Amino acid sequence: DAKTTQPPSMDCAEGRAANLPCNHSTISGNEYVYWYRQIHSQGPQYIIHGLKNNETNEMASLIITEDRKSSTLILPHATLRDTAVYYCIVRDSGGSNYKLTFGKGTLLTVNP
Amino acid sequence: DVKVTQSSRYLVKRTGEKVFLECVQDMDHENMFWYRQDPGLGLRLIYFSYDVKMKEKGDIPEGYSVSREKKERFSLILESASTNQTSMYLCASSLWEGANEQFFGPGTRLTVL
Repeated sequence: DAKTTQPPSMDCAEGRAANLPCNHSTISGNEYVYWYRQIHSQGPQYIIHGLKNNETNEMASLIITEDRKSSTLILPHATLRDTAVYYCIVRDSGGSNYKLTFGKGTLLTVNP
Repeated sequence: DVKVTQSSRYLVKRTGEKVFLECVQDMDHENMFWYRQDPGLGLRLIYFSYDVKMKEKGDIPEGYSVSREKKERFSLILESASTNQTSMYLCASSLWEGANEQFFGPGTRLTVL
């Protein structure tokens, strides 16, 4: 019962912006959008999260549409080390809802 | 930096053996998690612990048990390993149960023959 839909794979040229889309049309008002990534042979790594405003940190930017039904993770200047599977996760933050439900994610390949 | 370490990166065991997977975190986090990751199925939560000696079942607890005797250490136990438990096992920790960020270890790839 997937809460998010992501393309299975994307390519990006090194140095260019990578824009990873995610659809979450059934998101509820108290659910946040989280992004994690998993580099080959490593555990997942938190990137960013947001509720309805756009967010930016040292790793990426998160753009959430006004209706909150979709979002885009932006890596402004992709490097080869950004090649990974990127997971978009919807979760009710706070309280006892601790579980992260990872779908299949998007394999981003950054090419030289 | 938070560090979550797992006792082995690769492990090969035989069917019926008792298997212990150890996880240690160094940031005094309250919560620790065990997931398994399989191709096409994503990460699935096995067990969760929110305090010493406290645990909750996740989505797939059958065939597994856990132990948390100290805050920094969370063990996953396969009482009698079976071939369908061949998988990548990932441990994670977070400051509190609803914390935004879970920190993951590097994973243990377990093969049961």
